[in-house]
Amino acid sequence: DVKVTQSSRYLVKRTGEKVFLECVQDMDHENMFWYRQDPGLGLRLIYFSYDVKMKEKGDIPEGYSVSREKKERFSLILESASTNQTSMYLCASSIRQAGVEKLFFGSGTQLSVL
Amino acid sequence: DQQVKQNSPSLSVQEGRISILNCDYTNSMFDYFLWYKKYPAEGPTFLISISSIKDKNEDGRFTVFLNKSAKHLSLHIVPSQPGDSAVYFCAASDTNAGKSTFGDGTTLTVKP
Repeated sequence: DVKVTQSSRYLVKRTGEKVFLECVQDMDHENMFWYRQDPGLGLRLIYFSYDVKMKEKGDIPEGYSVSREKKERFSLILESASTNQTSMYLCASSIRQAGVEKLFFGSGTQLSVL
Repeated sequence: DQQVKQNSPSLSVQEGRISILNCDYTNSMFDYFLWYKKYPAEGPTFLISISSIKDKNEDGRFTVFLNKSAKHLSLHIVPSQPGDSAVYFCAASDTNAGKSTFGDGTTLTVKP
């Protein structure tokens, strides 16, 4: 069964802290993604990666960076956390089946920045 | 510029009746459309998809209709069940760009 695991379910950090959100998938998928979910704004793509050491900016990359040193692991980094980064963060990996790319999501990390 | 829009934040229906969730898009480059369902405290899960070359796809109680000229798609759930109560996200995929764009989500409540 497909599994995407996010290291923390809830996280509370202070403004200015460096924050690491970790994500691991066990499906040998090439593609991995980081989204954030906010009320009324849906899911917005922060960064994605097609391969190890490769990254692409999504729609809202400002204030974030990512790292993909191994195929199964994709980390999201908040260099200096701010209160407007309080959100639900969702990691996903994807596979193309019958032409359509399907995303498999982790359970999410609810980050609060105080 | 929001490329995928779900204009109804919430929908409430009676058990056994039809639920219709709507989605509009603006980008003609989208070639696949997907619906994901999300329960509280869980990540979204894939529900059903449709290619831009089709106008209907059915899977059990779930049917997705695509009107390409109107850039509109809808998800029909018949009959609706209380277990269908969740947030439904519409997503559009541009194969060349390699990413999916999501709508805001519609919270469906099915009352027993």
